[in-house]
Amino acid sequence: QQQVKQSPQSLIVQKGGIPIINCAYENTAFDYFPWYQQFPGKGPALLIAIRPDVSEKKEGRFTISFNKSAKQFSLHIMDSQPGDSATYFCAASGRGGSNYKLTFGKGTLLTVNP
Amino acid sequence: GAVVSQHPSRVICKSGTSVKIECRSLDFQATTMFWYRQFPKKSLMLMATSNEGSKATYEQGVEKDKFLINHASLTLSTLTVTSAHPEDSSFYICSARDLGTSGSFYNEQFFGPGTRLTVL
Repeated sequence: QQQVKQSPQSLIVQKGGIPIINCAYENTAFDYFPWYQQFPGKGPALLIAIRPDVSEKKEGRFTISFNKSAKQFSLHIMDSQPGDSATYFCAASGRGGSNYKLTFGKGTLLTVNP
Repeated sequence: GAVVSQHPSRVICKSGTSVKIECRSLDFQATTMFWYRQFPKKSLMLMATSNEGSKATYEQGVEKDKFLINHASLTLSTLTVTSAHPEDSSFYICSARDLGTSGSFYNEQFFGPGTRLTVL
């Protein structure tokens, strides 16, 4: 079973803090690792994604760190704001045919207190 | 760019009726669309992969005859929940893979806003 393990399940930080969400995968054929943000009652929105040929990618306040040897990747949110309060999902997929399917982590509910 | 719409956003129906949900890629062509189901406070569960002009591929445990998927064009896929029952009540979300993506993430998926189905 292709799995992506995500932790923590929930996270509470103060405004300005740097929440970190971690994911680990098993399938070495995965080569695409996106993070999605989902607000209640809405569809997931792509935040940022990385491929395994780089160890870090930054877009605005969001940074992905990627450790290929450990098969782990994480999302860092700099200067977090109450508006960042949402559920975050990591995912992974490979290439070709059914490998394009995304395998999702179980999600992390982030609460940023004012 | 890369906008995916779903219609309707909410639907309430009686048990035994059928409900059709549309998923459209508004500004790109999508050879592949995916249908997910999400329960409250849970992750997305892939139901099926829909390829334009061919039969959908269903995930293990998903009833093909209950969840009919049609992908008639490069911008439209539909999910029909047949003979709906209360246990089919859920949040259904589609995503589309951008055929035209090149040099970047060829497997990038864009999600629709979801459809809340309530079966009474």
